[in-house]
Amino acid sequence: SQTIHQWPATLVQPVGSPLSLECTVEGTSNPNLYWYRQAAGRGLQLLFYSVGIGQISSEVPQNLSASRPQDRQFILSSKKLLLSDSGFYLCAWTLNLTSNTEAFFGQGTRLTVV
Amino acid sequence: AQTVTQSQPEMSVQEAETVTLSCTYDTSESDYYLFWYKQPPSRQMILVIRQEAYKQQNATENRFSVNFQKAAKSFSLKISDSQLGDAAMYFCAYRIPNAGGTSYGKLTFGQGTILTVHP
Repeated sequence: SQTIHQWPATLVQPVGSPLSLECTVEGTSNPNLYWYRQAAGRGLQLLFYSVGIGQISSEVPQNLSASRPQDRQFILSSKKLLLSDSGFYLCAWTLNLTSNTEAFFGQGTRLTVV
Repeated sequence: AQTVTQSQPEMSVQEAETVTLSCTYDTSESDYYLFWYKQPPSRQMILVIRQEAYKQQNATENRFSVNFQKAAKSFSLKISDSQLGDAAMYFCAYRIPNAGGTSYGKLTFGQGTILTVHP
């Protein structure tokens, strides 16, 4: 069966420090991968998605970047964190080329920038 | 652009009663998929139910059912026999198929409805 791992679960970082959140998927190959952010416990905003190794699409301009160095690994990064980067970050995956499956989510990372 | 609207920021229900959560969406697509996700205090996103737009029959999953009105672009969730474990934030979400398009499975979410279940 497929599983998704996301870490760390909680992170407190000072303004101006770098960020690296990691997500890996097991039990499937060539998944579509996504990073979402949930601010103030409300709706989810799509930040990045990837349909293959090295292929990254950004949905909104921001202080963050994403990379996919391996088929089932997705990394969210920042060189210098801002206070506004605080939030709950969720990694998700879907099967590629299959239209009617849902997205499966990791357990999320709560990021607090101080 | 597709949008999803959940007009009820908060709802409450007595245990064993029935509650309906509302969701409307805006799209020009004819083929798409709709989902309800549950986010309990653990913040793990859990799929509750999904509906394919080409299916006229409303989806059901045990105590959860939807009222899908395609013409009205409405997709409400009914929870019957509410249980304490149903307390969570519920999100309505929309996506268009991967095949033949550029959606790549991206989901558009509503703002969520916080459901409180009273014993």
